[in-house]
Amino acid sequence: AQSVTQLGSHVSVSEGALVLLRCNYSSSVPPYLFWYVQYPNQGLQLLLKYTSAATLVKGINGFEAEFKKSETSFHLTKPSAHMSDAAEYFCAVSDGAQAGTALIFGKGTTLSVSS
Amino acid sequence: DVKVTQSSRYLVKRTGEKVFLECVQDMDHENMFWYRQDPGLGLRLIYFSYDVKMKEKGDIPEGYSVSREKKERFSLILESASTNQTSMYLCASRVRNTIYFGEGSWLTVV
Repeated sequence: AQSVTQLGSHVSVSEGALVLLRCNYSSSVPPYLFWYVQYPNQGLQLLLKYTSAATLVKGINGFEAEFKKSETSFHLTKPSAHMSDAAEYFCAVSDGAQAGTALIFGKGTTLSVSS
Repeated sequence: DVKVTQSSRYLVKRTGEKVFLECVQDMDHENMFWYRQDPGLGLRLIYFSYDVKMKEKGDIPEGYSVSREKKERFSLILESASTNQTSMYLCASRVRNTIYFGEGSWLTVV
């Protein structure tokens, strides 16, 4: 069975500092991996996705993530945090795009950004 | 742009009431999903559907049912609402390898 572990339920950084949100997955087949962001009282917005092409994936708002098969990781980074990055971030895994395949989510990491 | 619309953003229902949460997508997607989101637990899959009239249980289907009579609409039904079903409910639909979410429905059961 697939699973996702997000290390750290809460991460705090200063504005301009590096953002690193950690995600490890388990999957019996080559996975598809996703990062979503959720702002207060809103649904989830796709930040980026890995679907077996380039291992370094660039997303919106300056975020990127690197797929490391040997470490079963898909950590999310941003070189310089902005106040508007404060939100909850979810990592998710899917074992493919076939009919009936759902995403399995981690428990989320809340990112706080201080000035 | 893909649009997933949840008709009710905020609902307050009484214990024992039957509750319908409606979700509509406008992109002819075959796959649709209902998730429940609770603090500290992330998103948990309740049910999904991969075609009209087809449904599959997710991780937490107890107390819920679903209906998919038309491709664009996927309804979540709470047959007899209970206080432990107070939560944020998120509908989603999938095209190829990406899932798109609605804005969410906040349900409070009193």
